[in-house]
Amino acid sequence: NAGVTQTPKFRVLKTGQSMTLLCAQDMNHEYMYWYRQDPGMGLRLIHYSVGEGTTAKGEVPDGYNVSRLKKQNFLLGLESAAPSQTSVYFCASSKTYTQYFGPGTRLTVL
Amino acid sequence: GENVEQHPSTLSVQEGDSAVIKCTYSDSASNYFPWYKQELGKGPQLIIDIRSNVGEKKDQRIAVTLNKTAKHFSLHITETQPEDSAVYFCAASKRNAGNMLTFGGGTRLMVKP
Repeated sequence: NAGVTQTPKFRVLKTGQSMTLLCAQDMNHEYMYWYRQDPGMGLRLIHYSVGEGTTAKGEVPDGYNVSRLKKQNFLLGLESAAPSQTSVYFCASSKTYTQYFGPGTRLTVL
Repeated sequence: GENVEQHPSTLSVQEGDSAVIKCTYSDSASNYFPWYKQELGKGPQLIIDIRSNVGEKKDQRIAVTLNKTAKHFSLHITETQPEDSAVYFCAASKRNAGNMLTFGGGTRLMVKP
């Protein structure tokens, strides 16, 4: 039982490049979330999903898109990366209230 | 929307002492309050949580108290150990479409041996 896994662990992009972060969970959870973590600002919700085929905006959705084609996977996309998107990205999943987090992806945009 | 404030931002204690971290929230409809511990280079891990129908919850050396009237909740760690050194986050949530959490800014706890 791996829990929540994230791919890749590290990534460096140039401004304007695109990429997709993958989150996978094996706990059969309905809810999945993407957060970004910046120094001194805690975790801020980017997008979330309440079930397969559904997505919704969180607190800071601009510049990101998401998809939940399969219940176990939640993808976060950056179409045109900007230096302001340099951050650590965490995925989480939950059955009800308790959220379980993945190990994170450290993204640097030059 | 919900706003969660957390204090202090850093806390240094001697091994064996107690540590207290406090959070306040703004939305009186919030009813679930988890605490997460984040070690360097890892994702946040739930250590304890409390619901609004309970005033206090304890699990070995950690405890959480909730004051709904004042809209604040606190994490108490007794007999601190060096392995308690980490960043701690509080959060608040209410029953809604996504059960979303709003996080505090975090507290860096350092336990000196």
